[in-house]
Amino acid sequence: GESVGLHLPTLSVQEGDNSIINCAYSNSASDYFIWYKQESGKGPQFIIDIRSNMDKRQGQRVTVLLNKTVKHLSLQIAATQPGDSAVYFCHSSGNMLTFGGGTRLMVKP
Amino acid sequence: EPEVTQTPSHQVTQMGQEVILRCVPISNHLYFYWYRQILGQKVEFLVSFYNNEISEKSEIFDDQFSVERPDGSNFTLKIRSTKLEDSAMYFCASKGVGANVLTFGAGSRLTVL
Repeated sequence: GESVGLHLPTLSVQEGDNSIINCAYSNSASDYFIWYKQESGKGPQFIIDIRSNMDKRQGQRVTVLLNKTVKHLSLQIAATQPGDSAVYFCHSSGNMLTFGGGTRLMVKP
Repeated sequence: EPEVTQTPSHQVTQMGQEVILRCVPISNHLYFYWYRQILGQKVEFLVSFYNNEISEKSEIFDDQFSVERPDGSNFTLKIRSTKLEDSAMYFCASKGVGANVLTFGAGSRLTVL
């Protein structure tokens, strides 16, 4: 079966710095990857996605990088703001059912 | 923007009691899911539902759990006899045909005493 996991459970960054959240996946057949953000007391919300035929996709202040060789996914947040404080999950379409444990991003003022 | 609505937002119940958690998925979505999240832990899959039947279920989704789509809008999760360890946030999610992204509700917090 597939496992989707995260390297770091907690990441603490200074406001204004860039954040990088990492995720590993095991199913090489996965063709679609999604990052969700879960704020305290809320359900996960879609942030950005990427297809397996891409290695980079940019959104507003967020960039997702995909390295299929090592089965690694990362989410980069530029100029991190207090509102970015949340738990971030990666999710693979190879298994719509499994979320990684999540990385809690804490933004220090 | 369309959203998934869940009720109640918080329910407190005694161990052994039946609980029904309700969800109204996005109207044109056809795939429905229930997940749970124990405090401080990861989001865990419970069950997926499509075309009026269960598509997949996890080991967590035992005989104490059931799902139903009683009408064209609601999607419910029933726990027949709650246990202390059922205390968690329960998230409903839905997905459209051909889509990959799930839309989650805000969750229902269940506290079993």
